[in-house]
Amino acid sequence: DADVTQTPRNRITKTGKRIMLECSQTKGHDRMYWYRQDPGLGLRLIYYSFDVKDINKGEISDGYSVSRQAQAKFSLSLESAIPNQTALYFCATGAGGSTGELFFGEGSRLTVL
Amino acid sequence: AQSVTQLDSQVPVFEEAPVELRCNYSSSVSVYLFWYVQYPNQGLQLLLKYLSGSTLVKGINGFEAEFNKSQTSFHLRKPSVHISDTAEYFCAVSDTNAGGTSYGKLTFGQGTILTVHP
Repeated sequence: DADVTQTPRNRITKTGKRIMLECSQTKGHDRMYWYRQDPGLGLRLIYYSFDVKDINKGEISDGYSVSRQAQAKFSLSLESAIPNQTALYFCATGAGGSTGELFFGEGSRLTVL
Repeated sequence: AQSVTQLDSQVPVFEEAPVELRCNYSSSVSVYLFWYVQYPNQGLQLLLKYLSGSTLVKGINGFEAEFNKSQTSFHLRKPSVHISDTAEYFCAVSDTNAGGTSYGKLTFGQGTILTVHP
């Protein structure tokens, strides 16, 4: 089983719908992240959390919200999806106080029509 | 703030030829540097990382990278590529505090698509 699991792996939805992407990890890491990947733009940080009570905005948090339900679970929500949120979303984990190395899930491909 | 620029968006190369993927970064503090690889329909996998010490870092699958502080570069190289190296490659940087601990956020470059032709 994967150390970082994302669900769903693929989702097609319509403009205005609420969408939740879920992430769970078995690595025991405190830090969890949500990134968005767009062609030619690389990965951009949406939100990150260093522990259950710590949530921080990344560089592109507008239109997104997150919830850290437990050390192992970190979900990303789009309250009202729009077409330019069509992208590949990655969850990642990292060990606290370390080098910054991240461990990634397989990705969730979201299409907003 | 830190930033990363990957100088080539696409690099085509023939099998068994050498390849270099270029990465420059900017940061006002000390950094840790990483190269990740993304195979089609998969997540990102760590190829190698520079934390300290020798500026030549060896990674998996025969890849290596050289940290050049004066040129703020971290170029990735492989002397002989295989078809299976076809993938997208990402350079990333993590700022550190005075004690050498990462602030815990990676900033990624735009990615370089390496295509190896037979």
